[in-house]
Amino acid sequence: EVQLVESGGGLVQPGGSLRLSCEASGFSFSSYAMSWVRQAPGKGLEWVSAISGGGSSTFYADSVKGRFTVSRDTSKTTLYLQMNSLRAEDTAVYYCATNRGSVQRVSPSNWLDPWGQGTLVTVSS
Amino acid sequence: QTVLTQPPSVSGAPGQRVTISCTGSSSNIGAGYDVHWYQQVPGAAPKLVIYAHSNRASGVPDRFSASKSGTSASLAITGLQAEDEADFYCQSYDSSLSGYVFGTGTKVIVL
Repeated sequence: EVQLVESGGGLVQPGGSLRLSCEASGFSFSSYAMSWVRQAPGKGLEWVSAISGGGSSTFYADSVKGRFTVSRDTSKTTLYLQMNSLRAEDTAVYYCATNRGSVQRVSPSNWLDPWGQGTLVTVSS
Repeated sequence: QTVLTQPPSVSGAPGQRVTISCTGSSSNIGAGYDVHWYQQVPGAAPKLVIYAHSNRASGVPDRFSASKSGTSASLAITGLQAEDEADFYCQSYDSSLSGYVFGTGTKVIVL
């Protein structure tokens, strides 16, 4: 069974840092690009970042560029999101998801399936 | 900023048909990028419903269908059931933003 399990969320002060993890199982982790998507409380979905299967290509939404860093460890089949200089507007549930529709690369035609259960990040003093 | 616009809500009685529109522009749907649809019930993660315009995800009943024309796409649900009550989001790619974009989301209400 394909499964994605996020962890690492919590309460952090503005300006602080947090690292999210997404452990994958049930599929060939390195064969697929992965994405992070977030959802602020009561709001819609916002794509945050994507990384190719090999980890060499990374992409970010303008809202997080320069503050967030996506990475992956194939040996641990785990995706990461390092979040620095956090702001109140970063408060959201963060989901990891598998990019489908291409092998390894992040493609404009990708859809996201499956998704993890999400981890809540709250940025507040 | 809002890139893909959806109606806030649509409603219908059980058994009826509802449609959800997803309006984009020449830098996303109008540029020929694929459109995908997700369903999210409260408190749960989004789940893929339709990929690449009109392909149903595994396990999705054929009551769900989708289409695309010009700068817009739409999702139709026929034979509406109580279990269909959820939020639905469209997703595409935007060349101006160089990233994936989601619609504003539509709540399907089963009367």
